Formats: sequence, C-alpha cells, structure tokens
Amino acid sequence: GNSVTQMEGPVTLSEEAFLTINCTYTATGYPSLFWYVQYPGEGLQLLLKATKADDKGSNKGFEATYRKETTSFHLEKGSVQVSDSAVYFCALPTGRRALTFGSGTRLQVQP
Amino acid sequence: DTAVSQTPKYLVTQMGNDKSIKCEQNLGHDTMYWYKQDSKKFLKIMFSYNNKELIINETVPNRFSPKSPDKAHLNLHINSLELGDSAVYFCASSQGQDSGYGYTFGSGTRLTVV
Repeated sequence: GNSVTQMEGPVTLSEEAFLTINCTYTATGYPSLFWYVQYPGEGLQLLLKATKADDKGSNKGFEATYRKETTSFHLEKGSVQVSDSAVYFCALPTGRRALTFGSGTRLQVQP
Repeated sequence: DTAVSQTPKYLVTQMGNDKSIKCEQNLGHDTMYWYKQDSKKFLKIMFSYNNKELIINETVPNRFSPKSPDKAHLNLHINSLELGDSAVYFCASSQGQDSGYGYTFGSGTRLTVV
C-alpha cells in the first residue's frame, strides 16, 4: 500500500537558516501529497499540498515540489523563524480513502 | 467558530473505567475520522465514517467503539480502559471520501489512564 518515509529528527537550526525536511513516498499512481504541521499542544494543520506530479505547493514561506522521478516531496523554507518550531508530517492517501502519515520530524529553531 | 471540536481536551481516568470522547464538525464535511497519536508522535488511523456509514475499521481492540449519530458528529467510546490506551486521540473531517482534499483536525483529546 501507499506509504511515506520522513527523515528522523529533531532538526535544530538557528533563526534565518535554510530548512529541508526530506520525504519520500511509495504509491500506486500519483496521489495528492501533503505536509501537515503540529504546533505544541495543538492538532495538525494542513500546511501545503500538491495534487499532481511537478506541482509545487506553498504556504507561509514553505514549499514542496511533487517529484515523481525521485518519488519525493521534500519540505523547504529559505529562512526559518522561532515560531516555525513544530512537528512536521508528510502524508498521502492510502487505497482505503484515509491519509497515512510519516513518523513526523521535530523542528527546533533557536534564536 | 471552531471547525472541528473535540471534548474533553484532557481526560484522566483509572484502569477499567469506560469513557467517551465527542467530536463535532461544522464544515459540512461528509467523512470523519479518529486517529491515535502515541508518545512518539506516530499517527494511526482507527476509524472513519462517511455519512454515518463505517468505512474504515482498523485493527483496534473491540473495547473501542465509534458511533456517528449524524454526519456532523463522531464519538468514540472506550470500555475497560488499559494503561496502553494512554495517547492523544484526534478527530478529523474531510470533504467526500476522497482524502485528496486533505483533513481538518480537532485539537485532540489527551487520554491518561492511571
């Protein structure tokens, strides 16, 4: 079935550093791909998505490009802020009409 | 207006008790879900309902029973609680059965069994 693999965290960066969180997927066909963010003590929020190959999803300075050649959907941001500290999840639909999530990557941004 | 609301936010209870968690969404979505998040942040689907019909029923103990009185509500009842049930439980909803739309999540219910 469909699955995603994320890089393990935590990722610790200084403010204004460049961020990359790797996500690779295994899927039948070309399902939509998602990044969700979970701030401390909160539920998950949709950060961005891409619905087809070569699409770029973007939101709040974050970007991810749906690359079928490398089966990847890496999350990037050019300059992180302390407020970006959270857990980030890559996700895609399973064949059973539910989202399956990666294991999550914790980002810690230091001032 | 809260889109997906769960109650209670925190629940501390003793082993062997029975408890319920309630979820309501005001987005007009057709499909609702329960996920369990463990202490390592791993998320696992438990159940999903589409228009009050059970669609997904993952391998969870029979002590867990979902109930959807209408498409805006999905409750989770847990019998004979065990220590291993301690986790954060998230309700979510989506438009239609195609999860390509993504989900809207509630803020979670942190269940602690002592």
